[in-house]
Amino acid sequence: DGGITQSPKYLFRKEGQNVTLSCEQNLNHDAMYWYRQDPGQGLRLIYYSQIVNDFQKGDIAEGYSVSREKKESFPLTVTSAQKNPTAFYLCASTASGGNEQFFGPGTRLTVL
Amino acid sequence: AQSVSQHNHHVILSEAASLELGCNYSYGGTVNLFWYVQYPGQHLQLLLKYFSGDPLVKGIKGFEAEFIKSKFSFNLRKPSVQWSDTAEYFCAVKTNAGGTSYGKLTFGQGTILTVHP
Repeated sequence: DGGITQSPKYLFRKEGQNVTLSCEQNLNHDAMYWYRQDPGQGLRLIYYSQIVNDFQKGDIAEGYSVSREKKESFPLTVTSAQKNPTAFYLCASTASGGNEQFFGPGTRLTVL
Repeated sequence: AQSVSQHNHHVILSEAASLELGCNYSYGGTVNLFWYVQYPGQHLQLLLKYFSGDPLVKGIKGFEAEFIKSKFSFNLRKPSVQWSDTAEYFCAVKTNAGGTSYGKLTFGQGTILTVHP
């Protein structure tokens, strides 16, 4: 089955620790995105990448980092500099020339 | 910068009632418009989209939306809701601002719809 996988579904970390969220897609999509979802705030764009080895900051990139070494993978690191990291994180991808974004199941991160 | 506003945070309806969820955006150029739905415990999925042409677009599960350019609106409607429509609904706007060929999606705050049987 083609799609986007995110792991793990739930993640707990202690304050001050960096944590990396996984996102993998087998749709052969060029562009990938990371969003953060908070109640009452919708989805906010953290980072996006249109091609391997290239990525751009979204609206709320502070405290996050990404890499895009492979087309199918776009991991997100939540660093200790992120002041309020507890949230639901969604990964998405888009085909070349496409408009619709396809979403993964999300990872719920809780920082204790 | 573009923004998207959804008027209602939480809507509660009984089955068979009609639904209209408001969505307004602020952007003066060409836009593509989307409604996404997130059912409890499921992926965010596309409900319908507007790119050009007929401003009344039909989506899955009996939903439709009307693009009114003069009002910068893209309201979602369904004549008769079902219990299974209980979900969170997101309006999103894609522009080509920033020069990316993929554009950038800006989401509204979301509207939680609860349908009582």
